Amino acid sequence: QQPVQSPQAVILREGEDAVINCSSSKALYSVHWYRQKHGEAPVFLMILLKGGEQKGHEKISASFNEKKQQSSLYLTASQLSYSGTYFCGTEGDTGNQFYFGTGTSLTVIP
Amino acid sequence: DGGITQSPKYLFRKEGQNVTLSCEQNLNHDAMYWYRQDPGQGLRLIYYSQIVNDFQKGDIAEGYSVSREKKESFPLTVTSAQKNPTAFYLCASSIKRSYGYTFGSGTRLTVV
Repeated sequence: QQPVQSPQAVILREGEDAVINCSSSKALYSVHWYRQKHGEAPVFLMILLKGGEQKGHEKISASFNEKKQQSSLYLTASQLSYSGTYFCGTEGDTGNQFYFGTGTSLTVIP
Repeated sequence: DGGITQSPKYLFRKEGQNVTLSCEQNLNHDAMYWYRQDPGQGLRLIYYSQIVNDFQKGDIAEGYSVSREKKESFPLTVTSAQKNPTAFYLCASSIKRSYGYTFGSGTRLTVV
């Protein structure tokens, strides 16, 4: 029931773009995205609700395809501060089950 | 400023001892959660509470206990029954289900 993220790890140069995917085997009501820097707590980025919406701010945005039970996080013109591990979290369409994904390690280098 | 305070930041426990991790929030959030994170891994749910005096087991509740006597507080006790307690423990809260989580800074527990 844990959503699967891909890729597991990615290394980018400053200014490059990245896409992180989150896939679930269950019908979803919502998808959350978080970023965690090493040794710190995860920080909430955004939440997408059932309805196939796309959200974002500045250079980080996300989409949610409820039919495919997938979400993607888009990071454009990456900055050094974007480095960290990105987690999606999914809430099922039935019941209250919420699971964090497997995580994607993203490293931005100069 | 509102937020979640976890204490202590580092905790060392001898085998066979119970220890309690503190989690306090002043965000007026109804829901609170405890997660365990092992090195290089994701977050696994231990317990959660959606209202005072009520809580539910998560996926890995064995060896842990919680209480929710006040809206602001959700302490986690790691009992001697938890065979592998060394981990990073994160407390989180949200206004309610389907809202984003705010996390505390975590407690790193080590069994010595």
